[in-house]
Amino acid sequence: GDSVTQMEGPVTLSEEAFLTINCTYTATGYPSLFWYVQYPGEGLQLLLKATKADDKGSNKGFEATYRKETTSFHLEKGSVQVSDSAVYFCAWSGGYQKVTFGTGTKLQVIP
Amino acid sequence: NAGVMQNPRHLVRRRGQEARLRCSPMKGHSHVYWYRQLPEEGLKFMVYLQKENIIDESGMPKERFSAEFPKEGPSILRIQQVVRGDSAAYFCASSPPTGSYNEQFFGPGTRLTVL
Repeated sequence: GDSVTQMEGPVTLSEEAFLTINCTYTATGYPSLFWYVQYPGEGLQLLLKATKADDKGSNKGFEATYRKETTSFHLEKGSVQVSDSAVYFCAWSGGYQKVTFGTGTKLQVIP
Repeated sequence: NAGVMQNPRHLVRRRGQEARLRCSPMKGHSHVYWYRQLPEEGLKFMVYLQKENIIDESGMPKERFSAEFPKEGPSILRIQQVVRGDSAAYFCASSPPTGSYNEQFFGPGTRLTVL
């Protein structure tokens, strides 16, 4: 069935390290893809999005490219900061419907 | 433009009591979604509503849970006779009536604790 699979955490990195969080999806049609971030004790914030194949979403130094051939939407950042410590959720939506979320990847960045 | 508002932020109930969670969508948004996040897990879709209509309730438990989005006022998620397994964070999201993709804006959540 429709789903999102993302790498398990926690991921622990040193400040200024390169970050990759893998995400693959299973969906029919041409869904929109999202990365959401959840800081401790808070709700979800949309980090970036891509609505069609080969689109690149970017925000705050984070990037992800919609790869339809591999059904992937991996999140990357070239140099992480302590303030990036949070839980990151990959998600997709097929329109005016529910958003299907992955289980989340906890990122901890240490100074 | 205020974001999605949820209240209360924290709610404590004893087993068997009722819990009412409220969600006010962003101004101009007519679509409301409820999600549940169990500890250490992702968000699971519960229900999708438009004004006075339930569009998709495929994620709602068959018993004790209900949701509404009246013509006036906030959306309400109601849990009757709560049990400890209902302890979770409940998030509401809203989206506008137009647009080519479904970008949902999330509220801060209500954390329900059942004693």
